[in-house]
Formats: sequence, structure tokens, C-alpha cells
Amino acid sequence: EDQVTQSPEALRLQEGESSSLNCSYTVSGLRGLFWYRQDPGKGPEFLFTLYSAGEEKEKERLKATLTKKESFLHITAPKPEDSATYLCAVGSSNTGKLIFGQGTTLQVKP
Amino acid sequence: GAVVSQHPSWVICKSGTSVKIECRSLDFQATTMFWYRQFPKQSLMLMATSNEGSKATYEQGVEKDKFLINHASLTLSTLTVTSAHPEDSSFYICSASQELNYGYTFGSGTRLTVV
Repeated sequence: EDQVTQSPEALRLQEGESSSLNCSYTVSGLRGLFWYRQDPGKGPEFLFTLYSAGEEKEKERLKATLTKKESFLHITAPKPEDSATYLCAVGSSNTGKLIFGQGTTLQVKP
Repeated sequence: GAVVSQHPSWVICKSGTSVKIECRSLDFQATTMFWYRQFPKQSLMLMATSNEGSKATYEQGVEKDKFLINHASLTLSTLTVTSAHPEDSSFYICSASQELNYGYTFGSGTRLTVV
């Protein structure tokens, strides 16, 4: 069964305190692993797509990495405006569907 | 970049009435569109997948007669919540895909409140 698990559920950081979010997945055929940011009351905002193990992508303070079983979203020196829920999802090549994890809610305090 | 417009952003309706939510891809043709439902502090739950010109495929447990989906063109999909009840109150989000490997672009969501 295709499944995505994110940890931790919630994360509180001080401004400047780097950390990582984890996304573990099982999927019959990986057609991309996606990271999104979601602010309250809004739709998910695209961050990254990773397609193969070993791939890395960066955007400002965020860096996403991928292995065959998990992905990490590294946040370097976060700022309060990075506070949001970060969603991980895998695309299934068998079904074409996007399967979401439960999300990690990040709070960065000044 | 790809943009998906979703309207309305919020709606309040009375029990027993129907509500239509529109999802438009503004700068690309969306061969596939997805409709999600999200409860407070929970993740997105896929309700149905629709391809232009064909019937939508609903996820297990989703009532197709209550949640009517129409994907009449490559840029427009609609979700109609029929005979709405308070338990249908939720955040509904659409997503459009041009080619699945190119990613999924999400609308801004619709907050539905049934009173």
C-alpha cells in the first residue's frame, strides 16, 4: 500500500536554529516526491520535486534530499516567516495519484 | 509558472442547498484535475480524480452523488456539493496537472460552511 509518514508532527525552533523534517514513504512506483508549504487557510505552495535517490534541491534556506525510502527537508537558520505546515507527497506511477503525509507544523520564534 | 485559480475562496450556505466550486488552470491545459478535502489540522484527503471529457474517479468512501465533478474542458473543473449538510463543512482544494511528471499545482482552496 502506498503510504507517506512525516515526522515530527510539530516542531518549534528559535530563529537561526537549523533542523530537518523527515518524510518516509512506500510507493509501488515513484513518480516524484513533492514538498509543499501550506499557510493557514490557503492551498499548498509548491517547493520542490525530487525524482531519484541522491537528488538534492535548494531554495533559499530550504534544501530537500531524497533516498529510496525517505526524504529530508533541511531548514538552515530559519526565520519566523518560515513558520507554516510543510507537506510531503509522493506521486504514484501506477495510479497517477498524489499521496500526502500528515504534515509537519513548523513554528519559528524570534 | 503554472497557476490554478479556485473560486469562491469561501462560501456559507444553508443546509439542503447546493454549492458549486470552480477550479481553472490559467496558463496551461490540465489533462487531469484532482479534488481534495482537508479537515482542521489534518492533511489533504483525495476525493476524486477527473480527466477532461470523462467521468470522475472517486476514492473509496466518497459519495459520487453528493460530490458531483465535471471536467468539461482542459482548463475548468467544477465540484458541486449537493444537498449540503453541516458535516460537509470543510476546506476543499483542487489541483491540476499538465503532465504528471511536471508536478501538481494547487488552487488556493474554498472554505465551505454549511449552516
